[in-house]
Amino acid sequence: QSALTQPASVSGSPGQSITISCTGTSSDVGTYNLVSWYQQHPGKPPKLMIYEVIKRPSGVSNRFSGSKSGITASLTISGLQAEDEADYYCCSYAGRSTPVVFGGGTKLTVL
Amino acid sequence: EVRLVESGGGLVQPGGSLRLSCTVSGFIFSDLYMDWVRQAPGKGLEWVGRTRNKANSYTTEYAASVKGRFSISRDDSKNSLYLQMNSLKTEDTAVYYCTRTGGVPGNWFDPWGQGTLVTVSS
Repeated sequence: QSALTQPASVSGSPGQSITISCTGTSSDVGTYNLVSWYQQHPGKPPKLMIYEVIKRPSGVSNRFSGSKSGITASLTISGLQAEDEADYYCCSYAGRSTPVVFGGGTKLTVL
Repeated sequence: EVRLVESGGGLVQPGGSLRLSCTVSGFIFSDLYMDWVRQAPGKGLEWVGRTRNKANSYTTEYAASVKGRFSISRDDSKNSLYLQMNSLKTEDTAVYYCTRTGGVPGNWFDPWGQGTLVTVSS
């Protein structure tokens, strides 16, 4: 199972919106509405930000939103804040024997 | 409070073995699917393996990179998850996280432990 494809880096200024893409295949993102997104600050464990494509866990800001079209999922962060600077990883369900596959990660820089 | 605490990491020589533990509180552990995810230094997240709950016969799944060398077990009476790692390779060097697996059929991870570092080196 190959990793999902994410851009290595994205950047934006405070207050702007950015979108991070996550491209999979017909065996994972394209088949299942089971994409999740994680935020990771340096030296910290990942934090769940979006699950099942569009759902936000309790406590996660509504500035974070998810979507999917075909084999590509996206994470959009609106009203960028300095604290959003982190690495972001997508993840998709991929079947019973290899349940999940991660993206390579995207480094978000807030200019 | 929901909490996952890993332990057991350290330095081990190539070919050696190590057993990681993860103690869970704040959940009914026996109901849970649990996964291990690792992160090599400066690299991304890599799924390692999964144990399902008693209702699903404690079945396990492993990434191809560790299959046959790593084994996941659990002790519901101790709210504990284990990762037995044998025939370790330098490329197994990583921070290892345990995580509660949510959703049906198990597709998201929350929360995560703080991680334990495994270094495989001579």
